[in-house]
Amino acid sequence: GQQLNQSPQSMFIQEGEDVSMNCTSSSIFNTWLWYKQDPGEGPVLLIALYKAGELTSNGRLTAQFGITRKDSFLNISASIPSDVGIYFCAGVDNQGGKLIFGQGTELSVKP
Amino acid sequence: EAQVTQNPRYLITVTGKKLTVTCSQNMNHEYMSWYRQDPGLGLRQIYYSMNVEVTDKGDVPEGYKVSRKEKRNFPLILESPSPNQTSLYFCASSLDSGQGYEQFFGPGTRLTVL
Repeated sequence: GQQLNQSPQSMFIQEGEDVSMNCTSSSIFNTWLWYKQDPGEGPVLLIALYKAGELTSNGRLTAQFGITRKDSFLNISASIPSDVGIYFCAGVDNQGGKLIFGQGTELSVKP
Repeated sequence: EAQVTQNPRYLITVTGKKLTVTCSQNMNHEYMSWYRQDPGLGLRQIYYSMNVEVTDKGDVPEGYKVSRKEKRNFPLILESPSPNQTSLYFCASSLDSGQGYEQFFGPGTRLTVL
């Protein structure tokens, strides 16, 4: 079936550093999404990308939809302690309805 | 308050004992979905529903059933639970399955099958 490979699996960074994580797929997706999950809670949508090549920002977060439609990255600038959590990429399959998630990137930020 | 609620939040049961995890949303959303989250595997979609009486399999539907008799409710049924269904389960809903995909997730149900 369709799979998303997300990397890195975990990151330990100092407050103030920039962070980058990415997702690749063997299949084409028409929509890419980035979610964040805080400890003990469900994921919350951060950014949605609908067009190949699209670059979208949400505050300190920037995400891009790869030209091939098989990859996406998420950057976080000037990290702060509340950025701690698990970040998931997700792709929407071509038939719509099915959402495929990456394995997640666990981010730890040292104050 | 707009929300997705799940019950129970925690459940320990034994192999073969039928159980139902309820999910309800108060946002009049058409699309609802169930996921399971396991370490190293991210979230995997079990079943989804585009509208009342319309359900479809996700990536890991084996061992699960769902129903969508009303718009607000989307229960997940495990007819004969097995230990490999021990997991953290999330219900989610969104306005529709079109562009936007802002899926609102419930707080999760941690299930342990002994």
